[in-house]
Amino acid sequence: AQSVTQPDIHITVSEGASLELRCNYSYGATPYLFWYVQSPGQGLQLLLKYFSGDTLVQGIKGFEAEFKRSQSSFNLRKPSVHWSDAAEYFCAVGASLQGAQKLVFGQGTRLTINP
Amino acid sequence: KAGVTQTPRYLIKTRGQQVTLSCSPISGHRSVSWYQQTPGQGLQFLFEYFSETQRNKGNFPGRFSGRQFSNSRSEMNVSTLELGDSALYLCASSLGQANEKLFFGSGTQLSVL
Repeated sequence: AQSVTQPDIHITVSEGASLELRCNYSYGATPYLFWYVQSPGQGLQLLLKYFSGDTLVQGIKGFEAEFKRSQSSFNLRKPSVHWSDAAEYFCAVGASLQGAQKLVFGQGTRLTINP
Repeated sequence: KAGVTQTPRYLIKTRGQQVTLSCSPISGHRSVSWYQQTPGQGLQFLFEYFSETQRNKGNFPGRFSGRQFSNSRSEMNVSTLELGDSALYLCASSLGQANEKLFFGSGTQLSVL
């Protein structure tokens, strides 16, 4: 069965510092991978997605993620975080069956930014 | 273009009652998915509807049900509410192709007392 692991429940970084959020997945075929962000009391917003091709994917708000098949990883990075990046981040794998939509999410990583 | 709209935003019910949540997808989107979000279990897939048909279902009891109307609006119903049903219920819409990105609403926060 498909699964996603985000090893870090909570990460704190200083404003202006670099960020890396880890994500490992388990999926039998070529995965469709996503990173979503959720601000308190809000729904999820897509940051970026990987379907195929270039393993380094650029997203919105200055985020990027790198797909590494050998490590079953899809880590999210940002060179310099801003206070507004404080939120919860979810990695997900697409687990669609016969066209039906389904995402399997990791448990999330809560990001706190120190001023 | 308006986003995904979920109503109501907050809901308080007591055990044993039933509840209906509503979701209006982005115009033109024919797929609507529902997810339950709790601190303990995280985000879990409930079901997905496309053109008024349920295409996929998660591992939830039969108390959880849904439907989709011809205008793609969807409702989910939970009967005989339990304390553990307290959660944020998120709806997401898409055009309906496999593994495409989903657009999420802000959710309905359900509290069961």
